[in-house]
Amino acid sequence: DIQLTQSPSFLSASVGDRVTITCRASQGISTFLAWYQQKPGKAPKLLIYAASILQSGVPSGFSGGGSGTQFTLTINSLQPEDFATYYCQQVYSYPYTFGQGTQVEIK
Amino acid sequence: EVHLVQSGAEVKKPGESLKISCKASGYTFTGHWIGWVRQMPGKGVQWIGIIYPGDSDIRYNPSMQGQVTISADTSITTAYLEWNSLKASDSAIYYCARQNAYSPFDSWGQGTLVTVSS
Repeated sequence: DIQLTQSPSFLSASVGDRVTITCRASQGISTFLAWYQQKPGKAPKLLIYAASILQSGVPSGFSGGGSGTQFTLTINSLQPEDFATYYCQQVYSYPYTFGQGTQVEIK
Repeated sequence: EVHLVQSGAEVKKPGESLKISCKASGYTFTGHWIGWVRQMPGKGVQWIGIIYPGDSDIRYNPSMQGQVTISADTSITTAYLEWNSLKASDSAIYYCARQNAYSPFDSWGQGTLVTVSS
């Protein structure tokens, strides 16, 4: 199985901050990586696919990058509604594993 | 618009069987994969497996194969996740979600809470 390791696991930030979350794959996955946002009591929501393509309806303040084994999710200016848990997922090979998650909380 | 509506919360005892459902609408059911994701209390999300209703191709997470069964009924555009003998460790929220091949889950159900307790 491909292992995905996110860092940090927990992030404390203020509204307006620029934050970056990293996802590292245990082997190369080209750009077969997605990012999700999950708020308490809700299903995850797709933000980015193919490493850098914004899902329809997702605010432009989110961006993704990377290829191979190293990927990033950047939130340009944190908004109150962005405080949530973020997961990466690889869709390169089965099983389509997820990272352990990064919880973004208000400082 | 894609809609995935899951069956309601369940409370079961260890050793009991269970089948939860995910009713799909708003798209061609046989033309997309549909999968299941587990979220144990206070934990991250885990990929269980997916099914392609068009030809019943199923891919399981090896760590969960044999513990659950994924199926689909194309006549009623519904996917299922089934257990023959539940354990306390199966207590979790289970989500269904739609995807295309080599693509992530783009639409999700609301989740089904399964509680297994004696």
